[in-house]
This record gives sequence, structure tokens and C-alpha cells, in this order.
Amino acid sequence: KQEVTQIPAALSVPEGENLVLNCSFTDSAIYNLQWFRQDPGKGLTSLLLIQSSQREQTSGRLNASLDKSSGRSTLYIAASQPGDSATYLCAVDTGANSKLTFGKGITLSVRP
Amino acid sequence: EAGVVQSPRYKIIEKKQPVAFWCNPISGHNTLYWYRQNLGQGPELLIRYENEEAVDDSQLPKDRFSAERLKGVDSTLKIQPAELGDSAVYLCASSLLSSEQFFGPGTRLTVL
Repeated sequence: KQEVTQIPAALSVPEGENLVLNCSFTDSAIYNLQWFRQDPGKGLTSLLLIQSSQREQTSGRLNASLDKSSGRSTLYIAASQPGDSATYLCAVDTGANSKLTFGKGITLSVRP
Repeated sequence: EAGVVQSPRYKIIEKKQPVAFWCNPISGHNTLYWYRQNLGQGPELLIRYENEEAVDDSQLPKDRFSAERLKGVDSTLKIQPAELGDSAVYLCASSLLSSEQFFGPGTRLTVL
């Protein structure tokens, strides 16, 4: 059974700092990995999708990497802003029925 | 392009009452998902549809939950009767050919 872990559960950083959010998964046989953002009381916004054949994806100030062999992904946020404050969730698709298995998320607070 | 639409956004009911949630996926997306998200947790898949067919309902508590996707577009998720433990956010997502998933804003259910 696939398990996804995100540690720490919460993170607070000053504005302007570059930061890395970590995600680990137990079964390396994945189809793809997706990073989401969730604002309080809102749904999930897809940030980046990395296919199993890819090593990284970039969108603006965000860069996500994938290392299947070690069961890890990182989301790099450059020059963090208060508007980046949200919960960031990592989810893996094992390809079996396209079921996404989510981590519990990391709640990020960027202090002005 | 319109995103995934869900209604209602909030619902408060007493236990043992029925409740229904509605989802309209992104136009052209053949795959539709219902997830349940408990507080502080990542979403967990309840059911996945490909067009009109429920292809994965293994996590759906079938004694009280039911879902339908008539004509392969809109979908309804029903709970009857609701229990206190059903309080959660119910999220609908859609994708094209089981690729990147896009989520709606969710319905926050409170069972008293």
C-alpha cells in the first residue's frame, strides 16, 4: 500500500527566503506525482505535475523534482512571499485506477 | 475555461438526515473523482468514474453512500443516513484520460 509522508507538518519563514518542501513515498512504482496548494476553506489548486519519466518541472517561482528510486520529491519555492502562505500537498498516482494517494500536507506561513 | 463546479459549498444537517452533493466537471473531462478530506488530512478517494462507469468504488461505504454520473457529465454523491463521522469536506475532481486532476472548491459538510 502506497504511503505518502510530508514533514514537517508546519513551516514558518520570513519573506524573501528560498525554501524546500519535502515529500516521500514508499512505493517507487508511480505513474506521476502532483503538487497542490490548498488555501483555508478552499479546494486544491494544481501547481505542478511530474510524469514518472521526468526529473523536474518548473512554473514561475516553483520547481518540483522527482527521484523515484529514493521515493522522494521536493517543491522549491524561490523568493517566498506572504501570498504563498497555504497548505501544500503532495500526491502520487500509482497508475492503478489513477488513484491519487495524498500526504497530509505542509502548512506554510510566510511572514512579512 | 470554467473549473470544476460544486454545490452546495456548505451544508449543515442533523444525523440520520440525507444529504446530496453535486459536481459539474471541466468540459470534456471524461474522468470524475469524489474525494473526502477530513480535518488535517489529505483527501481520500471515494469513487472514480470513467464516463458513466464507476471503475473504482472500493473505498465508498456502500451501506450509506451512493453516487451516480448520468450521461457521463454531472455527478451526484449522496449520503443516507448521515452520521456524525461523515463531517468532512467532499471534493470533486476531473481529468482528461486519467492525467492531471483538477479539483473543485469542495462542499463542507457538518453533521450535528
